[in-house]
Amino acid sequence: GDSVTQMEGPVTLSEEAFLTINCTYTATGYPSLFWYVQYPGEGLQLLLKATKADDKGSNKGFEATYRKETTSFHLEKGSVQVSDSAVYFCALSGRGSTLGRLYFGRGTQLTVWP
Amino acid sequence: ETGVTQTPRHLVMGMTNKKSLKCEQHLGHNAMYWYKQSAKKPLELMFVYSLEERVENNSVPSRFSPECPNSSHLFLHLHTLQPEDSALYLCASSQPGTSANEQFFGPGTRLTVL
Repeated sequence: GDSVTQMEGPVTLSEEAFLTINCTYTATGYPSLFWYVQYPGEGLQLLLKATKADDKGSNKGFEATYRKETTSFHLEKGSVQVSDSAVYFCALSGRGSTLGRLYFGRGTQLTVWP
Repeated sequence: ETGVTQTPRHLVMGMTNKKSLKCEQHLGHNAMYWYKQSAKKPLELMFVYSLEERVENNSVPSRFSPECPNSSHLFLHLHTLQPEDSALYLCASSQPGTSANEQFFGPGTRLTVL
C-alpha cells in the first residue's frame, strides 16, 4: 500500500544552517507529494506540494523536488531561522483518489537556536 | 471566516461527560476528515466523509461518534472517554479529484480527559 517514510528527529540546528529532512515514499502510479508544517499549538499548514515527477515545490525559502527515480521528496532550506522551529510532515495522495486520502510520515521536529 | 475552523480550541472533560467538537469549512470542499494526534504517535485518520456520507471508519471506538449534517460542518460527539483519548483532534477538508488532493486543516481541539 501507499506509505511515507521520513527521517526521525529531532533535528537541532543553529540559525542560518542548511536544512535537509529526508522523505521517501511507496505508492502505485504517480502520487502527489506534500510537505506540511505544524507550529506549536496549531494545526497542520500546507508548506509546499508537487504533483508530477521533477516538479519542484517551494515556499518561504523551503524547496522539495519530486524524484520518481529515487521515490523521494526531500525538504531543504538554505538558511533556517528560529521561526522555522516546528514539526514537518511529509505526505502523499494517490493519483485519482476519490477520497482525497493522505498518507503521512511520522513527522520531524526541528528546533533552531539563535 | 475563512479556511477551516474548529471549536472549542481546548476542552477538559471527565470520563462520564458528553461533549461535541465542531468543525466548519468555508472552502466549498465536499470531503471532510477527523484526525487524532497523540504525543509520540503518528497522525491517525479516524473518519472520512465524502458528500456527507461516511466512507471510512478506521477502527475507532464507538465512544467517538461523527456526524456530518452538510458538506460544510462536521462534528465529533464524545461520550464516556478514557484518559488515553486525550490528544489534539484535527479536522481537515479537501476537494478530491483535483490535481493535488491537498487537505486544509483547522487549528485543532486540545482534549484532556480526566
